[in-house]
Amino acid sequence: QKEVEQNSGPLSVPEGAIASLNCTYSDRGSQSFFWYRQYSGKSPELIMFIYSNGDKEDGRFTAQLNKASQYVSLLIRDSQPSDSATYLCASLTDSWGKLQFGAGTQVVVTP
Amino acid sequence: ETGVTQTPRHLVMGMTNKKSLKCEQHLGHNAMYWYKQSAKKPLELMFVYNFKEQTENNSVPSRFSPECPNSSHLFLHLHTLQPEDSALYLCASSQERGRVNTEAFFGQGTRLTVV
Repeated sequence: QKEVEQNSGPLSVPEGAIASLNCTYSDRGSQSFFWYRQYSGKSPELIMFIYSNGDKEDGRFTAQLNKASQYVSLLIRDSQPSDSATYLCASLTDSWGKLQFGAGTQVVVTP
Repeated sequence: ETGVTQTPRHLVMGMTNKKSLKCEQHLGHNAMYWYKQSAKKPLELMFVYNFKEQTENNSVPSRFSPECPNSSHLFLHLHTLQPEDSALYLCASSQERGRVNTEAFFGQGTRLTVV
């Protein structure tokens, strides 16, 4: 049973447009949520995390959390070709620091 | 240079070999993790160590054996692996397990191929 689900993509986004990535989770006990970016052949790097309902903005990125709907999203404004990567959603599921990852959404920003 | 360093970056081994993966973190963190990343699959948590104590073994086969001699070093000992164990093995560290803002920093990974 998948605990964190994402559309695999690829999500094709024109340069300058908004990329919208979605993530759902099954464990209602999840405490917080993380978005990681992973370039091909590289390790994941954290973009941002969120643990309160609502929106959280950091530069061109906005994370949205709706615990009632068990839904997390990431918006990338003014998408750039350098944003082309796989975006991983992760939930912190327990006090052991266990991050449960989704399979990732591939984003392709086209010039 | 990343705060989490893994060696080797690439490893090819036969099914009868014994090898070890090494991870070192320079961030002063007290929790370290091993993840496995196979193609088209989610990152899978394998082991968690907090203050050198193993706190989770996520149903990992015994052919994978972790070792954490101190809070800065983590090893993954491999023996009699199978071809399906070929994957990217990622080490991560965080300041403290369980906090809501527990951010995990990843190493560059070891690309393992079992032949």
